[in-house]
Amino acid sequence: ILNVEQSPQSLHVQEGDSTNFTCSFPSSNFYALHWYRWETAKSPEALFVMTLNGDEKKKGQISATLNTKEGYSYLYIKGSQPEDSATYLCAFWNQAGTALIFGKGTTLSVSS
Amino acid sequence: EPEVTQTPSHQVTQMGQEVILRCVPISNHLYFYWYRQILGQKVEFLVSFYNNEISEKSEIFDDQFSVERPDGSNFTLKIRSTKLEDSAMYFCASRPSRDSEAFFGQGTRLTVV
Repeated sequence: ILNVEQSPQSLHVQEGDSTNFTCSFPSSNFYALHWYRWETAKSPEALFVMTLNGDEKKKGQISATLNTKEGYSYLYIKGSQPEDSATYLCAFWNQAGTALIFGKGTTLSVSS
Repeated sequence: EPEVTQTPSHQVTQMGQEVILRCVPISNHLYFYWYRQILGQKVEFLVSFYNNEISEKSEIFDDQFSVERPDGSNFTLKIRSTKLEDSAMYFCASRPSRDSEAFFGQGTRLTVV
């Protein structure tokens, strides 16, 4: 059974703080890792699709890294803003690419 | 911008009743998925569908569940005899290719009473 773990479960920071979350996943039979941002009452929205060991991707103040050999990915938010408040989900594709398995998510709350 | 749409947004049903949750994936997408999230728990994979057949299903997706793509645009999830524990948010997702991100609908909140 594939298991994707995320930590921390929740995080509360002040505006301007930088933060990072961890996603760990099975390192064998890696296919791809996705990060999604999920705001309340909206649908999950893709942030990054990561496939290669050592991948680093950036979108605005959010960036992510990938280590497929040890089975982890980090998501960084530099200078958090209140609008960054959301649940950040990491998801791992099984080798066949037929199922996207989600972690429980990290819920970020940014206070102004 | 094309989006995945789901109807209804909220459905309340009596235990034992059948429900059909509807999804219209993005038109050129080939891969379709159903997920659910029970309140306070993680998003769980139910089933994936490609080329008019199920490509993978989880242990949650037992005989009371079925999926159909009846007319080339809709993608439905049927729950034959709902139980209280089926109460959850159900999300449909689609993607154009095996290497792309998944695009999610806004979900249907199913409440079984």
